[in-house]
Amino acid sequence: EDQVTQSPEALRLQEGESSSLNCSYTVSGLRGLFWYRQDPGKGPEFLFTLYSAGEEKEKERLKATLTKKESFLHITAPKPEDSATYLCAVREGTDKLIFGTGTRLQVFP
Amino acid sequence: DTGVSQDPRHKITKRGQNVTFRCDPISEHNRLYWYRQTLGQGPEFLTYFQNEAQLEKSRLLSDRFSAERPKGSFSTLEIQRTEQGDSAMYLCASSSSGGAGWTGGNYGYTFGSGTRLTVV
Repeated sequence: EDQVTQSPEALRLQEGESSSLNCSYTVSGLRGLFWYRQDPGKGPEFLFTLYSAGEEKEKERLKATLTKKESFLHITAPKPEDSATYLCAVREGTDKLIFGTGTRLQVFP
Repeated sequence: DTGVSQDPRHKITKRGQNVTFRCDPISEHNRLYWYRQTLGQGPEFLTYFQNEAQLEKSRLLSDRFSAERPKGSFSTLEIQRTEQGDSAMYLCASSSSGGAGWTGGNYGYTFGSGTRLTVV
């Protein structure tokens, strides 16, 4: 059965303190790994899609990387406005996403 | 385009009542998805449509749940005889791509803000 596991569950950072979030997955035939940001009470906001091992994508302070078994979301010099829950998902079978439980990030000034 | 719209934003209902939610996808998107999210969890897939055809339903979707997309545009999700366990955020998403040909690029599914259902 396809699975997505995210760690840590929660992360507290000081503003400017860089770190990484992990997403490990088991899926038969990866057809895309997705990163989303979700603010409280809102729907997930799309960040990146990665398709093959070695692929990297960047957006402002965020950089996503992919290996055959896991993906990392690197946050460089975070700001308080980066505080959110970050969700990882894999595209499985026909056309549905299997999500992890997310990493709740808090960045303090 | 204002993105994916969901209505209502919040719904409080008594156990046993029926509720219906509406989703308006991005106009040029042909695929529409419903997910459910409970507190502290990631979204769980419920069902999806390509145009008006319902292509897949999750095993989690009991007979009390039904979804329609009659004209291939907006969709409705109805829950009959609601139970307290149905309390969750119901999310709709849409995409313009799908299937085996969807590779490369930075395509993603666009989610709405969700409908928060509370069953009391």
